Amino acid sequence: DTGVSQDPRHKITKRGQNVTFRCDPISEHNRLYWYRQTLGQGPEFLTYFQNEAQLEKSRLLSDRFSAERPKGSFSTLEIQRTEQGDSAMYLCASSDTGLVLYEQFFGPGTRLTVL
Amino acid sequence: AQRVTQPEKLLSVFKGAPVELKCNYSYSGSPELFWYVQYSRQRLQLLLRHISRESIKGFTADLNKGETSFHLKKPFAQEEDSAMYYCALSAKTSYDKVIFGPGTSLSVIP
Repeated sequence: DTGVSQDPRHKITKRGQNVTFRCDPISEHNRLYWYRQTLGQGPEFLTYFQNEAQLEKSRLLSDRFSAERPKGSFSTLEIQRTEQGDSAMYLCASSDTGLVLYEQFFGPGTRLTVL
Repeated sequence: AQRVTQPEKLLSVFKGAPVELKCNYSYSGSPELFWYVQYSRQRLQLLLRHISRESIKGFTADLNKGETSFHLKKPFAQEEDSAMYYCALSAKTSYDKVIFGPGTSLSVIP
């Protein structure tokens, strides 16, 4: 499978714990995006990278959230001191700015449940 | 404010009937408009985009700048069209973040 992959697919944690998610984009895609999706809503933009540079962060991304893309390939999203309100599906997408129209390709998501 | 609205959470139509999923947007400037689809147990994927003027799986979408709408239409619904549909927009110059609507769940009744 050469698509976007995310790990883990599911994560259950207790309130106050830290969690880290990983996203592997399509090879050679220089852009990588993180979205969050709660029940009954569409995905909400969190942040995106062009290569290793984090270019934009949403106000939704509190100080407890941090994302990295150290070598411009895979990315990690860490949530510290999780809260029940963090329970959601976290989606990763990638795109290639060298192609027309920058279509974003989505991964399967990581479902986080905070107890 | 940048926003996408989809007034119908659920839409049921009979197989062979026409279907229209409504989408309205607010955006300062001229955005690029998209429709994304998520079939059961599959990942979110692009269905079509305005700039390509394409018809995918029999679906088309017309941009009405006066009404700031981008409704998705298909003349004859098929059972395999049952899915979650999201209208979305992005800045035309940078195509960075995508702003999604809340989605409409389409159910095609056999």
